[in-house]
This record gives sequence, C-alpha cells and structure tokens, in this order.
Amino acid sequence: DTAVSQTPKYLVTQMGNDKSIKCEQNLGHDTMYWYKQDSKKFLKIMFSYNNKELIINETVPNRFSPKSPDKAHLNLHINSLELGDSAVYFCASSRRVIGDYEQYFGPGTRLTVT
Amino acid sequence: QKEVEQNSGPLSVPEGAIASLNCTYSDRGSQSFFWYRQYSGKSPELIMFIYSNGDKEDGRFTAQLNKASQYVSLLIRDSQPSDSATYLCAVNRAETSYDKVIFGPGTSLSVIP
Repeated sequence: DTAVSQTPKYLVTQMGNDKSIKCEQNLGHDTMYWYKQDSKKFLKIMFSYNNKELIINETVPNRFSPKSPDKAHLNLHINSLELGDSAVYFCASSRRVIGDYEQYFGPGTRLTVT
Repeated sequence: QKEVEQNSGPLSVPEGAIASLNCTYSDRGSQSFFWYRQYSGKSPELIMFIYSNGDKEDGRFTAQLNKASQYVSLLIRDSQPSDSATYLCAVNRAETSYDKVIFGPGTSLSVIP
C-alpha cells in the first residue's frame, strides 16, 4: 500500500492557468507538508498542516493555497501559474510525537509551466 | 549566510571506499539533524537522524554531530554503486519531525565501480 500518494505525477500547463495537486496519506499521521524542489534540487517547505490546522506558512505567493479537508488529505491549489512555478512538488507527512523523527514523502508531482 | 550548507559535489568515490558528506548550519538552537537520501527522480527518504553530540552508527552509515562547531557529517563505509544519490542534510529546532525542517542543497555522491 502506498503510504503517501500524490496526483497527478506529471502536470504540464500553460502560464495563467489554475491547477491543483492532491495528496493523501494512509499512515494515520497528524501532520502534512508541501515542499517545492526546484531545478537545483533545493527542497523548501511551503506549508504544514496539523489536524487540518495551518501551522507553517512560509513566504510563498498568495497564488498558492493549501487546503486540508481532513488530516489524511492536503491539497495544493495554484492560481495564475507562472514559469517560475515549474518544479517538483512533494507532499510529506509525519507523526506529532517527540522522538519520532521521520517525514514520509510522496512520489512528487513534476509541474511544468510553458 | 544560508541556514544549512553542504558541498554540492559531485563527490566521486571508488567502490569500497569511505564517502564523507559534510553539512554546516547557522541556527545554534537546532536540536535534531537528519540525513535524507534522494535517488534521481525519486522522493527523499530518511537514512539517519542524530540529536546528541558524537557519533551514531547504523550499519554502514555513521552520523557525526558537533553542536559547538555547528557541523554534522555522514560517513558511508564500504561505498556501493547503489549509494549513488543526492544526500540532503536537514535540521530542526525541535526534537520532533513536525516542526519546520530546513534542508540543505544536497551533495551528489557517485560511487564508481
């Protein structure tokens, strides 16, 4: 069974469009994240939710809006896509327990904006 | 100064040698430290974590932490071609995985058969 899944795996779209990426985890974790990994492989956190509550909101454009309908799902909606949004977006999850150190990553969504 | 720095590489080592990967961090309040491995086109996976000064060994991997020098390293003994990947150093202010984890830019390792 896939622990953290994302759809779609690839997304090619034109500038100005609006798109969504979905993420689901079946690990029973309380916390979920969105990361962006650019062409230089730099992995940068964007958002984090704990039990549907936003706890980390890094400096990202307002065009990016996360949404967590329940603690097993965290979606990312992007408005008015720009060329610079091209990257791989990773969803991740973790337990909210002291001493539990691992974040589990999804397979990634490669977004290409043309 | 970037929060987490690593040599970008690529680092090339012959099969069977020791690969040494280094990482420095700027936040003295950092509590926990992680090494993730990322194969090309794949997602990161945790291979080691350490939160106390000194060495921590797990199979062929040894993580070393020196908080005074704000330095953490990963040694891979008896390197195998399957170890060829990008290694991401990450730090966290808290003793958990759920607070903000800051990743370094990664070091690309190539193990030559």
